[in-house]
Amino acid sequence: DAGVIQSPRHEVTEMGQEVTLRCKPISGHNSLFWYRQTMMRGLELLIYFNNNVPIDDSGMPEDRFSAKMPNASFSTLKIQPSEPRDSAVYFCASSLREEEFFGPGTRLTVL
Amino acid sequence: DQQVKQNSPSLSVQEGRISILNCDYTNSMFDYFLWYKKYPAEGPTFLISISSIKDKNEDGRFTVFLNKSAKHLSLHIVPSQPGDSAVYFCAASGNDYKLSFGAGTTVTVRA
Repeated sequence: DAGVIQSPRHEVTEMGQEVTLRCKPISGHNSLFWYRQTMMRGLELLIYFNNNVPIDDSGMPEDRFSAKMPNASFSTLKIQPSEPRDSAVYFCASSLREEEFFGPGTRLTVL
Repeated sequence: DQQVKQNSPSLSVQEGRISILNCDYTNSMFDYFLWYKKYPAEGPTFLISISSIKDKNEDGRFTVFLNKSAKHLSLHIVPSQPGDSAVYFCAASGNDYKLSFGAGTTVTVRA
């Protein structure tokens, strides 16, 4: 299995632009998580899905952030409009039980 | 509100000696605890876990201890090796399988 796949690995954009991060979870996993890692707050859970349904989005910082999971093999995290303070590494993870498997992350830089 | 806390942002240890990483939690509903290891530019990878019905779990050089009454767990690495230099995240979950992460501890193993 290729593990959790995220794209792009790096994204540099200008303030105000829309950013879409993509994730392909491990086949067979029924939960998918989006995290943001910053120096100040470590790993923050943004949203998680179970069986493609959003269960808890209380970590989503603002309405500028949205996430979708149209099917079991794909999810997106969108930021519109992006701001410099959104610069961070965004991780996607999937799981079948407690142990989560993380993707390599997307490093987002908003200028 | 940070439910999982790692109060030491960094730890430096000499090769061959023991590394002890600490983690405290506040939510008494947590019943499963995990440690993740993260290298730069990679996603966190699962290291070791412990269920609340145990107080110790050992896997090779890694041992996790759980003190439920104190809501405290620790990770011991013996002996420490240069390849252990990484960021270590403590995580905890309850019955919803959602993980709450600490802010991480950066371990540097000196040769």
